[in-house]
Amino acid sequence: GAVVSQHPSRVICKSGTSVKIECRSLDFQATTMFWYRQFPKKSLMLMATSNEGSKATYEQGVEKDKFLINHASLTLSTLTVTSAHPEDSSFYICSARTTGGGYEQYFGPGTRLTVT
Amino acid sequence: AQSVAQPEDQVNVAEGNPLTVKCTYSVSGNPYLFWYVQYPNRGLQFLLKYITGDNLVKGSYGFEAEFNKSQTSFHLKKPSALVSDSALYFCAVRVYYNQGGKLIFGQGTELSVKP
Repeated sequence: GAVVSQHPSRVICKSGTSVKIECRSLDFQATTMFWYRQFPKKSLMLMATSNEGSKATYEQGVEKDKFLINHASLTLSTLTVTSAHPEDSSFYICSARTTGGGYEQYFGPGTRLTVT
Repeated sequence: AQSVAQPEDQVNVAEGNPLTVKCTYSVSGNPYLFWYVQYPNRGLQFLLKYITGDNLVKGSYGFEAEFNKSQTSFHLKKPSALVSDSALYFCAVRVYYNQGGKLIFGQGTELSVKP
């Protein structure tokens, strides 16, 4: 149980275009989802926290207009990187927390974004 | 400030030997502590957690961790390392934030187990 999927697993896009990454909780409902960014062999940097049906809360230094987050249902959150630049290339990981308050966060497999 | 520290970037262990991956924390209140493992190009897998109760917590794949309040530590241990344990390990603490909380991660420790 508690599986989180991400799609796509890898994406290459051109500079200036936008790309959407989906995060789904497959067998549980997630009131809260998190988006992280990870550089090679580095820790996870929390970008934003999204609660179903409300606006995402962004961490300091993260541009909300560049990284659009939508948490439209209890099983789906999307991250859209708008007007992507090469410096946006990274490994993006989503995570979901169950409604039951069990404190664990379940992580998706990650999406490797490369902007050329 | 609330934080988690993993003082070692890399830990090298011979297969069959015990391993320890260190973690210390600084939080206000009672800590909720977690260990996760990450294999290359994959997401994080939950290993174990400490919320309350026994200081020694047992988790997946034979790992365990000991909560030490006086030393503010939560070191990850395994009695006998396997080559397949080689991966990146993250310690995390949950801090209260915006309707529930968020995880703050340590910088990660790369574990290398040699045959």
